[in-house]
Formats: sequence, C-alpha cells, structure tokens
Amino acid sequence: GDSVTQMEGPVTLSEEAFLTINCTYTATGYPSLFWYVQYPGEGLQLLLKATKADDKGSNKGFEATYRKETTSFHLEKGSVQVSDSAVYFCALHGDTGGFKTIFGAGTRLFVKA
Amino acid sequence: DGGITQSPKYLFRKEGQNVTLSCEQNLNHDAMYWYRQDPGQGLRLIYYSQIVNDFQKGDIAEGYSVSREKKESFPLTVTSAQKNPTAFYLCASKGQGVTYGYTFGSGTRLTVV
Repeated sequence: GDSVTQMEGPVTLSEEAFLTINCTYTATGYPSLFWYVQYPGEGLQLLLKATKADDKGSNKGFEATYRKETTSFHLEKGSVQVSDSAVYFCALHGDTGGFKTIFGAGTRLFVKA
Repeated sequence: DGGITQSPKYLFRKEGQNVTLSCEQNLNHDAMYWYRQDPGQGLRLIYYSQIVNDFQKGDIAEGYSVSREKKESFPLTVTSAQKNPTAFYLCASKGQGVTYGYTFGSGTRLTVV
C-alpha cells in the first residue's frame, strides 16, 4: 500500500540556518503530495502542495519539489526563524480510488535564537 | 470565513463515561475525518465519512462511534469501551479530488480523570 517516510527528529537549528526535512513516498499511480505544519497545541495547517511530477509547491519561504524519479518531496527553507519551530508532516493522497491521506510520522523542528 | 470548528477545546472524562466531541464545518466539503494524536506521535485515523449517512472505520475505530446526519457535522463519541482515551483529537475535512488538502480543526484535548 501507499506509505510516507520522513526523517526522524528532532531537528535543531540556529536562526537563519538552512532547513531540509527529507520525505520519500511509495505509491501507485500519480498521488498529490503535501506538507502540513502543526504549532504547539493546535491543529495541522496545510503548508504547501504539489499535484504532479516536477511541480514545486511554495509558501512562507518553504519549498518542496515533487520528484517522481526519486519518489521524494523534501521540504526546504533558506533561512529559518524561531517562529518556524513546529512539527512538520509530509503526506500523500493517491489517485487510485482511496479516500484517505497517508501521513508521515512528523518531524519536530526547534529553531534557537 | 470558512473553516472547521471543534468543541470543546479541553474535555475531561471520568472512568466509564461516554463523551462526544463536536466537529462542524462550513466549507461545503463532502469528506470528513477524525484522527487521534498521542504525545510525540503522528496521526492515526479513527473514522471517516465521504457522504451524509455513510462512514467507514479507520485504523483504530474500536471504542469510538460517529454519525453523519448532516453534511456540516461529524461528531465523535468516545465510549467507555475505549480503554486509553487520553489524547488530542483532530477533525478534518477535504474537498473533492486528489489535489485538495485537508482543512483541520484546532483539536480537542481529552483527559481521563
């Protein structure tokens, strides 16, 4: 079945450092890929998405490119801020008739001032 | 503005009690979902519904029940059969098609006392 694997956390960075959170997936067909962010005590928010190969999703300085050849959707940001401290979830929604989004386990990011 | 409203934000349950968590959306989404999140963990699917008067069990449905009498509403009941109900519960809805992401509510934190 479909699955998502993302790097284990926590990831600890200093402010203005470069961020990469790795995400790889297994799926049949042509899924859509998503990154969600969860701030402490809150629900998840959709951060960005990409719906076909080579698409780049971007929002709030974060980017991720849908790479079908490497089945990856890594999240990147050039300069993190303390306010980016949160848990980040990679997810996919397949196009083969299923009704569920498959979530990764989440990666906690701490950004130090 | 459209969105999902979960209530209450905090809920305390005594041993042997049933409690109901509310989830209401005004996004006109057909699909709605309930997830459970334990501390430091990812999301586990409890129930989902694709249409009014129909719903399916997710991965951890035992000890929970739902109803979908209206498109806007998808309440979750945590029954006394759920032996370890203390967790953060998230409701989500989704538009039609694989390219749409989820919209999440802000969650209900349930604690057994």
